[in-house]
Amino acid sequence: GQQVMQIPQYQHVQEGEDFTTYCNSSTTLSNIQWYKQRPGGHPVFLIQLVKSGEVKKQKRLTFQFGEAKKNSSLHITATQTTDVGTYFCAGRYGSSNTGKLIFGQGTTLQVKP
Amino acid sequence: DSGVTQTPKHLITATGQRVTLRCSPRSGDLSVYWYQQSLDQGLQFLIQYYNGEERAKGNILERFSAQQFPDLHSELNLSSLELGDSALYFCASSVVSSSPEAFFGQGTRLTVV
Repeated sequence: GQQVMQIPQYQHVQEGEDFTTYCNSSTTLSNIQWYKQRPGGHPVFLIQLVKSGEVKKQKRLTFQFGEAKKNSSLHITATQTTDVGTYFCAGRYGSSNTGKLIFGQGTTLQVKP
Repeated sequence: DSGVTQTPKHLITATGQRVTLRCSPRSGDLSVYWYQQSLDQGLQFLIQYYNGEERAKGNILERFSAQQFPDLHSELNLSSLELGDSALYFCASSVVSSSPEAFFGQGTRLTVV
């Protein structure tokens, strides 16, 4: 069935180091979204990627969508303690706006000051 | 505040019982999603409704059911509860036509004892 795999499950970094999390889908996605969940909180939308090969940046965060629209990555440059949380990718299957939204397992980022 | 309201925030119940979780989406949002998040787990997609109709189903157990009412609020019914059903249940809504993101409620933490 439709499944989104995300790795790694956990990542501990020293403040200032870079961080990357990867998502992979077994089938082609309509689009992919990224969310951040702070400890004790709820997921909050970060960005959506729609086009094959798309790259978007938000300050220190860089998001990429693969050419085949099956994989994606989130890269954080020079992590800060405020980046702590769990980052989820969510793949949209079927219709671009009304299709299923399947979340990856998430990558929990810990940043040591 | 995401604009999505979930009640109750916490629920403690015994095995074998039945509970109803309620979700009020953001004003104007037609799509409602339900997710289950167990400890250290990702967001498991349960079911999606769009404008009162079931749109997509995920790994939802037969003991679980949901519906979306004409006023667009949604309820998730969990019956014959087992210890393993203890989890955080999130509802999310999206407007579909103009913005891609799903807005999450604060979640209902269900503890089955």
